[in-house]
Amino acid sequence: GAGVSQSPRYKVAKRGQDVALRCDPISGHVSLFWYQQALGQGPEFLTYFQNEAQLDKSGLPSDRFFAERPEGSVSTLKIQRTQQEDSAVYLCASSQNTGGAFHEQYFGPGTRLTVT
Amino acid sequence: GENVEQHPSTLSVQEGDSAVIKCTYSDSASNYFPWYKQELGKRPQLIIDIRSNVGEKKDQRIAVTLNKTAKHFSLHITETQPEDSAVYFCAASTEGGSQGNLIFGKGTKLSVKP
Repeated sequence: GAGVSQSPRYKVAKRGQDVALRCDPISGHVSLFWYQQALGQGPEFLTYFQNEAQLDKSGLPSDRFFAERPEGSVSTLKIQRTQQEDSAVYLCASSQNTGGAFHEQYFGPGTRLTVT
Repeated sequence: GENVEQHPSTLSVQEGDSAVIKCTYSDSASNYFPWYKQELGKRPQLIIDIRSNVGEKKDQRIAVTLNKTAKHFSLHITETQPEDSAVYFCAASTEGGSQGNLIFGKGTKLSVKP
Protein backbone atom coordinates (compact mmCIF):
# COMPACT_ATOMS: atom_id res chain seq x y z
CA GLY A 1 0.00 0.00 0.00
CA ALA A 2 0.94 3.66 -0.18
CA GLY A 3 3.28 4.90 2.48
CA VAL A 4 3.65 8.36 3.97
CA SER A 5 4.25 10.95 1.29
CA GLN A 6 5.56 14.49 1.60
CA SER A 7 5.72 17.42 -0.76
CA PRO A 8 7.68 19.17 -1.96
CA ARG A 9 10.72 16.94 -1.63
CA TYR A 10 13.04 19.92 -1.93
CA LYS A 11 12.38 23.56 -1.18
CA VAL A 12 14.70 26.52 -1.50
CA ALA A 13 13.49 29.70 0.16
CA LYS A 14 15.03 33.09 0.52
CA ARG A 15 15.40 34.32 4.06
CA GLY A 16 12.17 35.95 5.16
CA GLN A 17 9.88 33.94 2.87
CA ASP A 18 7.05 31.78 4.16
CA VAL A 19 6.95 28.07 3.29
CA ALA A 20 4.33 25.33 3.59
CA LEU A 21 5.25 21.67 3.78
CA ARG A 22 2.65 18.97 3.20
CA CYS A 23 2.33 15.49 4.68
CA ASP A 24 -0.03 12.75 3.50
CA PRO A 25 -0.09 10.03 6.18
CA ILE A 26 -1.01 6.41 5.67
CA SER A 27 -4.77 6.19 5.30
CA GLY A 28 -6.49 5.52 8.61
CA HIS A 29 -3.51 6.39 10.79
CA VAL A 30 -4.68 8.30 13.84
CA SER A 31 -1.37 9.80 14.90
CA LEU A 32 0.82 12.17 12.93
CA PHE A 33 4.19 13.56 13.97
CA TRP A 34 6.52 16.21 12.57
CA TYR A 35 10.26 16.01 13.18
CA GLN A 36 13.18 18.25 12.15
CA GLN A 37 16.44 16.57 11.19
CA ALA A 38 19.53 18.74 10.91
CA LEU A 39 22.48 17.43 8.89
CA GLY A 40 24.25 14.62 10.73
CA GLN A 41 21.77 14.61 13.62
CA GLY A 42 18.86 12.51 14.76
CA PRO A 43 15.28 13.66 14.13
CA GLU A 44 13.98 16.11 16.72
CA PHE A 45 10.31 16.20 17.66
CA LEU A 46 8.28 19.24 16.62
CA THR A 47 4.60 18.46 17.09
CA TYR A 48 2.03 15.63 17.39
CA PHE A 49 -1.56 15.25 16.24
CA GLN A 50 -4.12 12.68 17.21
CA ASN A 51 -6.73 12.94 14.47
CA GLU A 52 -7.29 16.71 14.10
CA ALA A 53 -6.24 17.56 17.66
CA GLN A 54 -2.76 18.95 18.17
CA LEU A 55 -1.89 17.30 21.48
CA ASP A 56 1.72 18.39 21.76
CA LYS A 57 3.51 21.31 20.13
CA SER A 58 6.28 21.60 22.68
CA GLY A 59 8.99 20.97 20.09
CA LEU A 60 8.14 23.86 17.79
CA PRO A 61 11.24 26.10 18.01
CA SER A 62 9.46 29.44 17.71
CA ASP A 63 6.12 31.06 17.00
CA ARG A 64 7.17 31.22 13.34
CA PHE A 65 6.33 27.50 13.15
CA PHE A 66 2.71 26.45 12.83
CA ALA A 67 1.13 23.08 12.04
CA GLU A 68 -2.40 22.00 11.29
CA ARG A 69 -4.37 18.88 10.43
CA PRO A 70 -7.89 20.23 10.02
CA GLU A 71 -9.64 17.06 8.82
CA GLY A 72 -7.53 14.54 10.65
CA SER A 73 -5.67 13.34 7.58
CA VAL A 74 -3.34 15.62 5.58
CA SER A 75 -1.15 17.91 7.64
CA THR A 76 0.70 21.11 6.77
CA LEU A 77 3.72 22.54 8.55
CA LYS A 78 4.11 26.25 7.90
CA ILE A 79 7.21 28.28 8.63
CA GLN A 80 6.89 32.04 8.49
CA ARG A 81 9.76 34.45 7.83
CA THR A 82 12.25 31.64 7.29
CA GLN A 83 15.73 31.96 8.78
CA GLN A 84 18.94 30.17 7.81
CA GLU A 85 18.78 28.06 10.96
CA ASP A 86 15.51 26.59 9.66
CA SER A 87 17.47 24.73 6.97
CA ALA A 88 16.94 21.02 7.66
CA VAL A 89 15.01 17.97 6.53
CA TYR A 90 11.46 18.00 7.84
CA LEU A 91 10.14 14.49 8.40
CA CYS A 92 6.53 13.48 8.86
CA ALA A 93 5.54 10.16 10.47
CA SER A 94 2.23 8.47 11.09
CA SER A 95 1.11 5.53 13.22
CA GLN A 96 -2.04 3.68 14.20
CA ASN A 97 -1.47 4.35 17.90
CA THR A 98 -4.82 3.08 19.05
CA GLY A 99 -5.82 2.30 22.61
CA GLY A 100 -2.81 4.05 24.07
CA ALA A 101 -0.43 1.44 22.72
CA PHE A 102 2.22 2.44 20.27
CA HIS A 103 2.50 1.03 16.84
CA GLU A 104 5.37 1.62 14.47
CA GLN A 105 5.88 5.17 13.28
CA TYR A 106 6.19 5.15 9.50
CA PHE A 107 8.26 8.00 8.15
CA GLY A 108 7.86 9.93 4.94
CA PRO A 109 10.82 10.75 2.67
CA GLY A 110 11.10 14.23 4.12
CA THR A 111 11.26 17.73 2.69
CA ARG A 112 14.74 19.19 2.48
CA LEU A 113 14.43 22.92 3.17
CA THR A 114 17.31 25.20 2.30
CA VAL A 115 17.08 28.84 3.33
CA THR A 116 19.46 31.12 1.45
CA GLY B 1 12.35 15.80 29.64
CA GLU B 2 13.80 12.65 28.12
CA ASN B 3 17.39 12.62 26.89
CA VAL B 4 18.89 9.79 24.83
CA GLU B 5 22.64 9.31 24.49
CA GLN B 6 24.02 7.02 21.77
CA HIS B 7 27.50 5.53 21.34
CA PRO B 8 29.61 5.20 19.31
CA SER B 9 29.00 7.91 16.73
CA THR B 10 30.87 5.91 14.09
CA LEU B 11 31.57 2.19 13.88
CA SER B 12 33.57 0.33 11.27
CA VAL B 13 33.56 -3.49 11.13
CA GLN B 14 34.66 -6.20 8.73
CA GLU B 15 31.99 -8.14 6.92
CA GLY B 16 30.91 -11.08 9.06
CA ASP B 17 31.82 -9.42 12.35
CA SER B 18 29.30 -8.30 14.96
CA ALA B 19 28.34 -4.70 15.66
CA VAL B 20 27.00 -3.31 18.94
CA ILE B 21 25.45 0.12 19.44
CA LYS B 22 24.54 1.34 22.92
CA CYS B 23 22.03 3.92 24.15
CA THR B 24 21.11 5.31 27.53
CA TYR B 25 17.98 7.21 28.46
CA SER B 26 17.12 9.48 31.36
CA ASP B 27 13.34 9.25 31.90
CA SER B 28 12.32 6.16 33.87
CA ALA B 29 8.79 6.56 32.47
CA SER B 30 9.98 5.69 28.97
CA ASN B 31 8.67 2.28 27.98
CA TYR B 32 9.08 1.94 24.21
CA PHE B 33 12.45 1.73 22.48
CA PRO B 34 12.63 1.45 18.68
CA TRP B 35 15.71 1.33 16.48
CA TYR B 36 15.69 2.95 13.04
CA LYS B 37 18.02 2.48 10.09
CA GLN B 38 18.52 5.42 7.75
CA GLU B 39 20.40 5.08 4.49
CA LEU B 40 21.84 8.19 2.90
CA GLY B 41 19.08 10.45 1.62
CA LYS B 42 16.37 7.99 2.60
CA ARG B 43 13.65 7.91 5.26
CA PRO B 44 14.26 6.27 8.67
CA GLN B 45 12.92 2.70 8.74
CA LEU B 46 12.12 0.68 11.84
CA ILE B 47 14.28 -2.43 12.16
CA ILE B 48 13.35 -3.63 15.64
CA ASP B 49 11.68 -2.34 18.78
CA ILE B 50 11.30 -3.41 22.39
CA ARG B 51 8.93 -2.57 25.19
CA SER B 52 9.89 -2.27 28.84
CA ASN B 53 8.18 -5.49 29.86
CA VAL B 54 10.70 -7.44 27.76
CA GLY B 55 14.44 -7.77 28.35
CA GLU B 56 15.52 -9.02 24.94
CA LYS B 57 14.11 -9.39 21.45
CA LYS B 58 15.64 -11.02 18.40
CA ASP B 59 14.85 -10.95 14.71
CA GLN B 60 17.23 -13.00 12.57
CA ARG B 61 20.62 -11.21 12.69
CA ILE B 62 19.34 -8.33 14.79
CA ALA B 63 18.75 -8.31 18.55
CA VAL B 64 17.96 -5.64 21.11
CA THR B 65 18.52 -5.85 24.86
CA LEU B 66 17.03 -3.61 27.53
CA ASN B 67 18.18 -2.99 31.09
CA LYS B 68 15.49 -0.92 32.79
CA THR B 69 17.38 -0.61 36.05
CA ALA B 70 20.42 0.88 34.36
CA LYS B 71 18.28 2.67 31.77
CA HIS B 72 20.22 1.46 28.78
CA PHE B 73 19.47 -0.59 25.69
CA SER B 74 21.64 -1.97 22.94
CA LEU B 75 21.40 -3.08 19.32
CA HIS B 76 23.35 -6.14 18.25
CA ILE B 77 23.89 -7.03 14.60
CA THR B 78 25.58 -10.35 13.90
CA GLU B 79 27.20 -11.57 10.67
CA THR B 80 27.27 -8.05 9.30
CA GLN B 81 26.92 -7.51 5.56
CA PRO B 82 27.84 -4.50 3.39
CA GLU B 83 24.14 -3.67 3.03
CA ASP B 84 23.98 -3.12 6.78
CA SER B 85 26.02 0.06 6.22
CA ALA B 86 23.82 3.00 7.24
CA VAL B 87 23.13 5.37 10.13
CA TYR B 88 21.31 3.72 13.03
CA PHE B 89 19.22 5.71 15.50
CA CYS B 90 17.91 4.58 18.85
CA ALA B 91 14.86 6.27 20.33
CA ALA B 92 12.77 6.28 23.48
CA SER B 93 9.15 7.12 24.09
CA THR B 94 6.31 6.84 26.57
CA GLU B 95 3.11 5.14 25.50
CA GLY B 96 -0.29 6.43 26.27
CA GLY B 97 -2.24 9.62 26.77
CA SER B 98 -1.23 12.72 24.91
CA GLN B 99 2.36 11.59 24.55
CA GLY B 100 3.74 9.79 21.59
CA ASN B 101 6.82 11.49 20.23
CA LEU B 102 10.11 9.68 19.88
CA ILE B 103 13.28 11.13 21.40
CA PHE B 104 16.18 10.08 19.19
CA GLY B 105 19.86 9.59 19.84
CA LYS B 106 22.34 11.35 17.58
CA GLY B 107 22.95 8.27 15.47
CA THR B 108 25.72 5.79 14.74
CA LYS B 109 27.23 5.58 11.28
CA LEU B 110 27.98 1.91 10.66
CA SER B 111 30.37 0.97 7.88
CA VAL B 112 30.74 -2.69 6.97
CA LYS B 113 33.84 -3.35 4.91
CA PRO B 114 33.73 -6.26 2.46
